[in-house]
Amino acid sequence: GEDVEQSLFLSVREGDSSVINCTYTDSSSTYLYWYKQEPGAGLQLLTYIFSNMDMKQDQRLTVLLNKKDKHLSLRIADTQTGDSAIYFCAESPPSGGYNKLIFGAGTRLAVHP
Amino acid sequence: ETGVTQTPRHLVMGMTNKKSLKCEQHLGHNAMYWYKQSAKKPLELMFVYNFKEQTENNSVPSRFSPECPNSSHLFLHLHTLQPEDSALYLCASSQDNAGAANYGYTFGSGTRLTVV
Repeated sequence: GEDVEQSLFLSVREGDSSVINCTYTDSSSTYLYWYKQEPGAGLQLLTYIFSNMDMKQDQRLTVLLNKKDKHLSLRIADTQTGDSAIYFCAESPPSGGYNKLIFGAGTRLAVHP
Repeated sequence: ETGVTQTPRHLVMGMTNKKSLKCEQHLGHNAMYWYKQSAKKPLELMFVYNFKEQTENNSVPSRFSPECPNSSHLFLHLHTLQPEDSALYLCASSQDNAGAANYGYTFGSGTRLTVV
C-alpha cells in the first residue's frame, strides 16, 4: 500500500527542539520530503533528502532517514512560535514511468511559551 | 504568492449546483495536480496532468471533472456534490512528472469548498 503515517499532533515549548516522525512504505522512493502548511495557505516545500543520504542539515532543520526501517524524522532546533504549522511528510515512489508525491495526514505542531 | 494561484479562495455550493475551481501557474511547469485535503486524513491525489494530458485519475467520482486546456491552467468542474466532498482543494505544479522528485511541487493556497 501507499500509506505515509505521521502522528497528528505535537506540542512543544518555545526554545525547545521539536521532532516530527514519519514512516513511509515504498523503499524505491528516490526523495523524501517535508512540507509546511501555515494557516490559510497551501503546502510549502521545507526540505528534502535524497534516499542515499542518512542525514541532511539546513540551519535549524535536521532530517534523518533510516531506510531500513523506512523512518523519516524532522528535527527543528530552538522552536519558535512562527514554526507553528502543519508538517507533512511525503514520499515519491516511481509509478507508471513518472514520480508522484504521496503525503501523510500531517502533524500539527503547536509552540507555546 | 507561490506562483500558483487558485480561485476562488472560498466556495459554498448546494448539492444541485455546478461550479468550477481554477488554478493558474506561470512558473513554466508542465505538470499540474489536484489534491483533496480533509481534516486528519492524508492528502489525496485526485488528478495528474503532464503536458496537458491526464496521466492519472485516482478513482475520483465522476462528479469531479478536470480540464487542462494548456500547461498553465487547470480547472476542476464540480456538479451534484455531496456534503462529504467539503474539503480544501489544492492545486500544485512541478517542472514535469519525471523530474518532480528532485524539485518537489509548488502548491497554491487552495479553495475551501463547503457543500450544503
